[in-house]
Amino acid sequence: DAGVIQSPRHEVTEMGQEVTLRCKPISGHNSLFWYRQTMMRGLELLIYFNNNVPIDDSGMPEDRFSAKMPNASFSTLKIQPSEPRDSAVYFCASSPTGNGYTFGSGTRLTVV
Amino acid sequence: AQSVAQPEDQVNVAEGNPLTVKCTYSVSGNPYLFWYVQYPNRGLQFLLKYITGDNLVKGSYGFEAEFNKSQTSFHLKKPSALVSDSALYFCAVRERGYSTLTFGKGTMLLVSP
Repeated sequence: DAGVIQSPRHEVTEMGQEVTLRCKPISGHNSLFWYRQTMMRGLELLIYFNNNVPIDDSGMPEDRFSAKMPNASFSTLKIQPSEPRDSAVYFCASSPTGNGYTFGSGTRLTVV
Repeated sequence: AQSVAQPEDQVNVAEGNPLTVKCTYSVSGNPYLFWYVQYPNRGLQFLLKYITGDNLVKGSYGFEAEFNKSQTSFHLKKPSALVSDSALYFCAVRERGYSTLTFGKGTMLLVSP
């Protein structure tokens, strides 16, 4: 298995632009999580899905953020419009049971 | 609510010496506890977990952790540190009945030659 695959690895965009981050979880894992990592706030859970259904999106910072999981093998996190304070590393993780997570390599987002 | 505290931002240790990275947690019931390691420009990698049973848990790369219920702690330890152990270490907790992990802010471990 190739693990959790995230794309792109790096994204530089201008303030106001739309940004879409992508994640392919491990096949058979029924839970998927989006985290954001910053120096100031550490790892923050943004949203998680179970069996493709959003269960808890209370960590999504603003309405500018949205996430979808149209099927078991793909999820997106979208920011529209993006702002400089959104600059962070965004991680996707998947889990078969909710115990152990497997993380992707992350997307480093820079909004200028 | 579940929470995790890692009281040290950074731990410095000389190669060959024992290391300890501290973690305390707060949950209402029984916890599942985890340690993850993050190398530069990489995602988090699983090291070990405590679910139930023996309080001393052994994990990858020679690391171990001891669950102490009375002190609500789950400190990460290694008898002899390597320079290659230098990384960011995260403790995480999941209370039984919750669906997600809560992570600490991380502790940077620096092992000097």
